[in-house]
Amino acid sequence: DGGITQSPKYLFRKEGQNVTLSCEQNLNHDAMYWYRQDPGQGLRLIYYSQIVNDFQKGDIAEGYSVSREKKESFPLTVTSAQKNPTAFYLCASSIGPQGRRETQYFGPGTRLLVL
Amino acid sequence: AQKITQTQPGMFVQEKEAVTLDCTYDTSDPSYGLFWYKQPSSGEMIFLIYQGSYDQQNATEGRYSLNFQKARKSANLVISASQLGDSAMYFCAMREISGGSNYKLTFGKGTLLTVNP
Repeated sequence: DGGITQSPKYLFRKEGQNVTLSCEQNLNHDAMYWYRQDPGQGLRLIYYSQIVNDFQKGDIAEGYSVSREKKESFPLTVTSAQKNPTAFYLCASSIGPQGRRETQYFGPGTRLLVL
Repeated sequence: AQKITQTQPGMFVQEKEAVTLDCTYDTSDPSYGLFWYKQPSSGEMIFLIYQGSYDQQNATEGRYSLNFQKARKSANLVISASQLGDSAMYFCAMREISGGSNYKLTFGKGTLLTVNP
């Protein structure tokens, strides 16, 4: 089955620790995205990548880093510089430039908690 | 100003009845897309329906339809014949094309729908 997988489902971070969230897709999509969701809020864009080996900052990139070495994979690292990392993280992908109708499809999410 | 406004934090509906979830948007871009997503308690965002700014007809997908009123800048989601499994958060989102931000979806804060048996 084609889809987007995210792991782990739950992740615990200690103070000063970097943690990495995994996102993999087998939809052959060119574009991938990371969003953060806080309680009672909509999604906010952290980083996005429209092609392998290229990525751009979104609205709230500070304290996060990404890589895009393979088309299928777009891992997100939450660094110690992110002072309030507790949130639900969603990865998404889309087929590529289709203008206004390009639809993003989401993975199941990772819930990050700080110990 | 918020680009996407969902004014109903929570809605209740009886099973088998129809319900309308409100969404208003703000853009000066003539070319944009509007999306609705469903988020069950499990957390995954599920794409429901899309409406383009130049589409002449309202979008429909099974029990979902979009009441698109361009002049009022509203894109309300109508769910017909509600089912218990429709209980979830529903998000409206917009994609604008101009200004170099055509990669980005802007989301509203969501409406929590509860379907009562």
